[in-house]
Amino acid sequence: DAKTTQPPSMDCAEGRAANLPCNHSTISGNEYVYWYRQIHSQGPQYIIHGLKNNETNEMASLIITEDRKSSTLILPHATLRDTAVYYCIVYPRRNRDDKIIFGKGTRLHILP
Amino acid sequence: ETGVTQSPTHLIKTRGQQVTLRCSSQSGHNTVSWYQQALGQGPQFIFQYYREEENGRGNFPPRFSGLQFPNYSSELNVNALELDDSALYLCASSLTGATQYFGPGTRLTVL
Repeated sequence: DAKTTQPPSMDCAEGRAANLPCNHSTISGNEYVYWYRQIHSQGPQYIIHGLKNNETNEMASLIITEDRKSSTLILPHATLRDTAVYYCIVYPRRNRDDKIIFGKGTRLHILP
Repeated sequence: ETGVTQSPTHLIKTRGQQVTLRCSSQSGHNTVSWYQQALGQGPQFIFQYYREEENGRGNFPPRFSGLQFPNYSSELNVNALELDDSALYLCASSLTGATQYFGPGTRLTVL
């Protein structure tokens, strides 16, 4: 079973920040938080990951709470091309047993 | 740098047939994972190969099998196809323990 809980769907207006929450209350000390997204009928795309510090890259920012039990993915200026299913996943990064257990993700609709 | 590629893009089979799907990993990656994604669901882990050996398996029957070659490319074989095997099959490559990069998938339809 997936170790994360996400809302099934969210809406966001184009140009606004999209904030996608994720709960991972049973996360282990060696597990990272990863975010992927999947645009319709394509393979999932890596977005960002983090352990305990907040992270930012050209696509998004990741905010992890101090207790690491939840996180938020932030798309700072959402565009229509950001419409996708977003998956929050936890797994050990430096581990040969690095299979990913996906949940159902959050379907993000960007509204024009 | 070449990304993960999969072939074929689509195929149609009938029940009882066998199918082989192929995946070329991203340059330098030594680990390949396979996932099955039914319509409306998240991807489900089938198995993973690391340096030509199976390294973990999900809840799939033995008729799902795989191979990894010395160049780290991989095949997924499914025997005795069932209607429920209709899905998008995804391959992902990675360096051990690092971020996984997915291919575009193969859409399999079983009639």
